[in-house]
Amino acid sequence: GAVVSQHPSRVICKSGTSVKIECRSLDFQATTMFWYRQFPKQSLMLMATSNEGSKATYEQGVEKDKFLINHASLTLSTLTVTSAHPEDSSFYICSATDASTGETQYFGPGTRLLVL
Amino acid sequence: SQQGEEDPQALSIQEGENATMNCSYKTSINNLQWYRQNSGRGLVHLILIRSNEREKHSGRLRVTLDTSKKSSSLLITASRAADTASYFCATDAATDKLIFGTGTRLQVFP
Repeated sequence: GAVVSQHPSRVICKSGTSVKIECRSLDFQATTMFWYRQFPKQSLMLMATSNEGSKATYEQGVEKDKFLINHASLTLSTLTVTSAHPEDSSFYICSATDASTGETQYFGPGTRLLVL
Repeated sequence: SQQGEEDPQALSIQEGENATMNCSYKTSINNLQWYRQNSGRGLVHLILIRSNEREKHSGRLRVTLDTSKKSSSLLITASRAADTASYFCATDAATDKLIFGTGTRLQVFP
């Protein structure tokens, strides 16, 4: 089946630093990847849609300069949390749509970010 | 908010019992999907039901969809302790974006 990986799985950083999270589709090509944020015991909230070779589309209320997204290839998208603050601490999950089938989103295992 | 609602928010049952979770959504959809999430993990896709389908089965899972009521239900039959997880519905409204419901936390006691 389609596999999506994320790296790192957990990261702890100091306030003010930037953190990069990678999302890779391992056995399929993903023209579109999605980034979600999930607070404890809450649902997933879509942050942005990442399309290979073009700028990401951000949801209302998500700061594009704060959450930089790069979709450099058909198998890799990165989310960089710039100048992280404690309120950015959260679970970040990416998903990818298989370009050949299109319907189902396959999710990565998530990255837990803790900003001290 | 376009986010869907799920009920119950939490459900506790004994192994062997059936678990039913309901999802309501707000807009017209192309399809509705159910996902499972174990604590602190990513999401696992369970089943997709299209807007022109009314019922779908996959193993111990049965999903129904009522587009006139904008609602769906997920039934897990003969539950097992390993079914303990959070379950989310997500709707796709032809934009490729998924809108997730609030989730149901299921606890199955051995």
